Amino acid sequence: KNQVEQSPQSLIILEGKNCTLQCNYTVSPFSNLRWYKQDTGRGPVSLTIMTFSENTKSNGRYTATLDADTKQSSLHITASQLSDSASYICVVSDSGGGADGLTFGKGTHLIIQP
Amino acid sequence: DTEVTQTPKHLVMGMTNKKSLKCEQHMGHRAMYWYKQKAKKPPELMFVYSYEKLSINESVPSRFSPECPNSSLLNLHLHALQPEDSALYLCASSQVSTAGANVLTFGAGSRLTVL
Repeated sequence: KNQVEQSPQSLIILEGKNCTLQCNYTVSPFSNLRWYKQDTGRGPVSLTIMTFSENTKSNGRYTATLDADTKQSSLHITASQLSDSASYICVVSDSGGGADGLTFGKGTHLIIQP
Repeated sequence: DTEVTQTPKHLVMGMTNKKSLKCEQHMGHRAMYWYKQKAKKPPELMFVYSYEKLSINESVPSRFSPECPNSSLLNLHLHALQPEDSALYLCASSQVSTAGANVLTFGAGSRLTVL
């Protein structure tokens, strides 16, 4: 069964600090991995999408890494801001395609404190 | 226009009511999706429409009835819901019918409360 595990479940850091969120997956065959940011009560917004051959991808202060051999990904947030407070969801797609080929992680709830 | 618009943002209904959730996108996406999300849980796929035809129904109870009038609109008709159906309902769209290759664009969601 395809699974996506995220850690930590929740994280509280001070504004301006950096943090790293983890995503481990057992989806096979692998197609791509996406990180979404979801503000409370809002829909998820895509931050990055990475395919098998990509090791790192940046979007502003967000940098995602992917190790397809160990089936791990991380999302690094630099110089955190209060607006970064949200849930960060890792979504892995299998290469079979189809909406039911997406496996969602449970998310990491990030709180940035002033 | 790069948005998926959902209305209403909030809906409170009784178990005997009939209501509808609406979703609209003008990005030319030919696949549209309904997801249900409970608090602190990941979104759960309900339905997928591809080229205005229902292609996936994840064994959703018949009290939820989807409709895709055209390539830009997606509705979710609600009837005889239960309190446990209270959740955030997310609409999403993508460029092709298989989400595996494309990024989903999500709407802001409709927060449904069933009394």
